[in-house]
Amino acid sequence: AQSVTQLDSQVPVFEEAPVELRCNYSSSVSVYLFWYVQYPNQGLQLLLKYLSGSTLVESINGFEAEFNKSQTSFHLRKPSVHISDTAEYFCAVSQTGFQKLVFGTGTRLLVSP
Amino acid sequence: GAVVSQHPSRVICKSGTSVKIECRSLDFQATTMFWYRQFPKKSLMLMATSNEGSKATYEQGVEKDKFLINHASLTLSTLTVTSAHPEDSSFYICSARVPTNTGELFFGEGSRLTVL
Repeated sequence: AQSVTQLDSQVPVFEEAPVELRCNYSSSVSVYLFWYVQYPNQGLQLLLKYLSGSTLVESINGFEAEFNKSQTSFHLRKPSVHISDTAEYFCAVSQTGFQKLVFGTGTRLLVSP
Repeated sequence: GAVVSQHPSRVICKSGTSVKIECRSLDFQATTMFWYRQFPKKSLMLMATSNEGSKATYEQGVEKDKFLINHASLTLSTLTVTSAHPEDSSFYICSARVPTNTGELFFGEGSRLTVL
């Protein structure tokens, strides 16, 4: 079975500062990895995903994540955050074959001016 | 991307009544949908996998008779919370898998249930 650990429940940063949201996973089989973002009282939106190929994946709004197999990590980074990035971020893993998604407990990114 | 819609977005009901939440895939056919429950400041807990034309597969610890799932068509799955109690109050989110090579999941907007 897979599991996901997001050690930071909340990450406060100032606007235009860089940020890293940590995600570690455990699995005995090959996995796909995802980052989802949730704004208040809304569903989840896919931010980016790693399926295969390049270990560095990017989103259209400046976020990137790097798959590190040896460290079983998939940390999310952004070099300069905006107020609008304030949201809950969930890391998720699934076995290759896209069955169930297992989510981490989420990290609240709080960007202040 | 694909669109998944949930209705209602918010519902308040009295204890003992039943509430139905709908999940629709608007621009694609979804043979598989998933229902999640999210507690305040907590992660998403997978409740069940809904398969079109067959019985849902429930996760361990989820009461089948309490949370009735029906997936009668390729674009609609429903979750009915029967005899609701205050502890059933939560945010319920559905997701559907796009039938492509990547099999990506798209999520509905969520439905907040408050049981008085």
